[in-house]
Amino acid sequence: EVQLVESGGGLVKPGGSLRLSCAASGFIFSNVWMHWVRQSPGRGLEWVARIKSKTAGGATDYAAPVKGRFSISRDDSRNTQYLQMDSLKAEDTALYYCATGELRAYQWWGQGTLVTVSS
Amino acid sequence: QSVLTQPPSVSAAPGQKVTISCSGSTSNIGNDYVSWYQQFPGTAPKLLIYDNNKRPSGIPDRFCGSKSGTSATLDITGLQTGDEADYYCETWDITLSAVVFGGGTRLTVL
Repeated sequence: EVQLVESGGGLVKPGGSLRLSCAASGFIFSNVWMHWVRQSPGRGLEWVARIKSKTAGGATDYAAPVKGRFSISRDDSRNTQYLQMDSLKAEDTALYYCATGELRAYQWWGQGTLVTVSS
Repeated sequence: QSVLTQPPSVSAAPGQKVTISCSGSTSNIGNDYVSWYQQFPGTAPKLLIYDNNKRPSGIPDRFCGSKSGTSATLDITGLQTGDEADYYCETWDITLSAVVFGGGTRLTVL
């Protein structure tokens, strides 16, 4: 059974930092590209970042609103991906999902971890 | 403002058919595959359609996706009250170098 379990969310002040983790199981983690997708309360889905598999070069891409502030990484030995979030803003408040799949789509999703940026 | 445009809401009666549109451009829908997701309140999205018109295992054939040019469509036939949810289209935008989602469509089954 595929599982994606996010952790690391919480309440942080504007300008602060958080590191999210996503622990994966049930599939060959090293083969897939990993993504973070967020959803602000009552709003739609917004893609945040992706990291390719090492066999695909391991490159990273970021959504414009987070470029330069967020950093995605992966540890294939731990079947875990990370999202380092710095210089957080109120508009980063959202439920952050880890998502991936073996299809050309988000086949699997975690349950999400809530990030609240507020003073 | 989302890069992909979806109607905010659609509605239809049980048993009927509804169509949800997703309009983009040559930078996104016109250049890559489209996926569709269903999301119930308080839960993670679920993949309904990938590669424009393919269904993952377990998705009933009442859900049908298609793409033409820079637009995509999700058809849901034989509507059930349990289909009431938010639906999102998604693809890759080569100009933005980013995954883009539609703003979402709330389906109401009257």
